Amino acid sequence: ETVLTQSPATLSLSPGERATLSCRASQSVGTYLAWYQQKPGQAPRLLIYDASNRATGIPARFSGSGSGTDFTLTISSLEPEDFAVYYCQQSSNWPPITFGQGTRLEIK
Amino acid sequence: EVQLVESGGGLLQPGGSLRLSCAASGFTFSNYWMHWVRQPPGKGLVWVSRINTDGSASSYADSVKGRFTISRDNAKNTLYLEMNSLRAEDTAVYYCARDRGSGYRDFGHWGQGTLVTVSS
Repeated sequence: ETVLTQSPATLSLSPGERATLSCRASQSVGTYLAWYQQKPGQAPRLLIYDASNRATGIPARFSGSGSGTDFTLTISSLEPEDFAVYYCQQSSNWPPITFGQGTRLEIK
Repeated sequence: EVQLVESGGGLLQPGGSLRLSCAASGFTFSNYWMHWVRQPPGKGLVWVSRINTDGSASSYADSVKGRFTISRDNAKNTLYLEMNSLRAEDTAVYYCARDRGSGYRDFGHWGQGTLVTVSS
């Protein structure tokens, strides 16, 4: 099973700041890596697929990078609606498809 | 517009059985693999199962293998998850999700989820 480790567990920032979230895979996943945003009481929303492609309707302030085992989600300038939990997910080595444990982005 | 609507969740005792449904609309259901993903209260996302387009192949997480069965009815545009021998650790919100298709297994569309609580 490919384990995804996200860091940090919690990130405290202010609106307007830059957020950098990390996801590390226990083995190479190529670029089969996606990022999701989840707000309380809501289903996850796909932000980034194939490591660096923004999903439909996702603002340009969200960007993804990386390949192999190390990936980054960057939010260039935080908006109030960006404070949420973020998950990475790999679909290279499955089953099982696996998710990271999540990074909580909170308002400082 | 793609819509996925889950139903069938509820409260039941350990050892019980339940069938979840996911009604799909807004896309050609028979063209896409479908998945179930669950989320225990206050915890992260866990992939549960997937089924291919015609229902001839499926995969499961080890934690549910032998107890859960995924199926689909393409004529009714509906995905199912039959859950048997339920345990307390199966308590979660269960989401159905559609993958991107064409061999890509990320999830661009999710239902709103249905809560399954297993407790005595």
